[in-house]
Amino acid sequence: DTAVSQTPKYLVTQMGNDKSIKCEQNLGHDTMYWYKQDSKKFLKIMFSYNNKELIINETVPNRFSPKSPDKAHLNLHINSLELGDSAVYFCASSPFVWNTEAFFGQGTRLTVV
Amino acid sequence: SQELEQSPQSLIVQEGKNLTINCTSSKTLYGLYWYKQKYGEGLIFLMMLQKGGEEKSHEKITAKLDEKKQQSSLHITASQPSHAGIYLCGAVQTGANNLFFGTGTRLTVIP
Repeated sequence: DTAVSQTPKYLVTQMGNDKSIKCEQNLGHDTMYWYKQDSKKFLKIMFSYNNKELIINETVPNRFSPKSPDKAHLNLHINSLELGDSAVYFCASSPFVWNTEAFFGQGTRLTVV
Repeated sequence: SQELEQSPQSLIVQEGKNLTINCTSSKTLYGLYWYKQKYGEGLIFLMMLQKGGEEKSHEKITAKLDEKKQQSSLHITASQPSHAGIYLCGAVQTGANNLFFGTGTRLTVIP
C-alpha cells in the first residue's frame, strides 16, 4: 500500500498546454505539500494545505493552482506550461504537529518541449 | 527567510571511507530531518532530530543536532556504494509549519 501516490510519474507536453498532477495520501495526515525540484536538485516548497485550506503559497506563478477536494488529495494544475516549468514535482504529507517525518511521493518528472 | 546551508555540495569518496555532511540554519529549528534520494526516485526518510544535543544512529549512519538546534551533521562510517545518492536536510522552524530543504549533497562512493 503506497502511502503517498502521485500520477503520472512522467509527463511530456508542449509549451502552452494545461496539465494536472494528482496526489493522494492514505496516512490520515492533515497537511499536504507540493515541492518542485529543479535541475540542480534543489527542493523548494510551492504550496502547503492543511485540512483542505491553503496555508502556504510561496512565490509561485498563478499559472499553478493547487486543488484539495478533500484531506487525502492535493492536485496540482498548471496552465499555459512554459519551458522553465520542466522539473520534478513532489507531493508530500505530514501530520499537522511535527512529531514525525513528512512522507513523499515518487515524484512526477515534467518535461515541457 | 528560510535557509539551510548544506556542505559540501558534492562528495566523492572511496568505498570504506568515513564522511560527514553538514547542515546549518541561521534560526533555531523545531525539527531537523535527513532524507536520501537516489537518482530518479523519491525521498527516503533517514532520521529526525528534535532535541538539542540529540544523536541518532541507523546502521552506519549517525546524525547529530547541536545544543542550539541550528546545526546538524550526518556521518557515514565505512561508506558503501549503496550509500551513494543525494542527501537532503530538511527543517521546520519554531513557530512555522512547513518543511523546507537545504541545497543537498551529492555523494558518490567509488568501489
